[in-house]
Amino acid sequence: NAGVTQTPKFRVLKTGQSMTLLCAQDMNHEYMYWYRQDPGMGLRLIHYSVGEGTTAKGEVPDGYNVSRLKKQNFLLGLESAAPSQTSVYFCASSPSRFYEQYFGPGTRLTVT
Amino acid sequence: GENVEQHPSTLSVQEGDSAVIKCTYSDSASNYFPWYKQELGKRPQLIIDIRSNVGEKKDQRIAVTLNKTAKHFSLHITETQPEDSAVYFCAPPRAQKLVFGQGTRLTINP
Repeated sequence: NAGVTQTPKFRVLKTGQSMTLLCAQDMNHEYMYWYRQDPGMGLRLIHYSVGEGTTAKGEVPDGYNVSRLKKQNFLLGLESAAPSQTSVYFCASSPSRFYEQYFGPGTRLTVT
Repeated sequence: GENVEQHPSTLSVQEGDSAVIKCTYSDSASNYFPWYKQELGKRPQLIIDIRSNVGEKKDQRIAVTLNKTAKHFSLHITETQPEDSAVYFCAPPRAQKLVFGQGTRLTINP
């Protein structure tokens, strides 16, 4: 099993550009999450999904959109990137709400 | 994270000594209390968790204790080793979602 994978690993964007981050899991988990990690800020929840076709806002959703069209995939979109979105993005999945979350390797995004 | 306080923010201990990190939460309905470890440049990984029906759980050199009355839980690492150097996060639930603390950077000095 590959677990949780993320594509791409690194990306540099110019202000105003758009991009999509892909998260895939092969553990048949219902729950999937997108976090951002900034120095000294811990992990902050952007959006999450409790099952195929569902999405919900987390702590810091502004400027991001998500989709969960297939159970194994969770996409995070930035429609118009801003320097404040420079961060490391982690995807995670879990079989239920209050259970171990399995994290992907992260995507380092820089917006100039 | 919202209403999650983790202390200390940095901790330096001699190899072989013990380390304790405390996490205070606000949601009295919380019933799941995990600790994650993140090594430099790596992804966070669960190291231990506890549910509210028990007060303590041990796994070899690590343990978690829970005080529901005071709304805090602590991570205990005994006989620390160099590979314990990492950032540790608590992640208690709030409003049905896990909220990660700001992290504690633990350094083990040889």
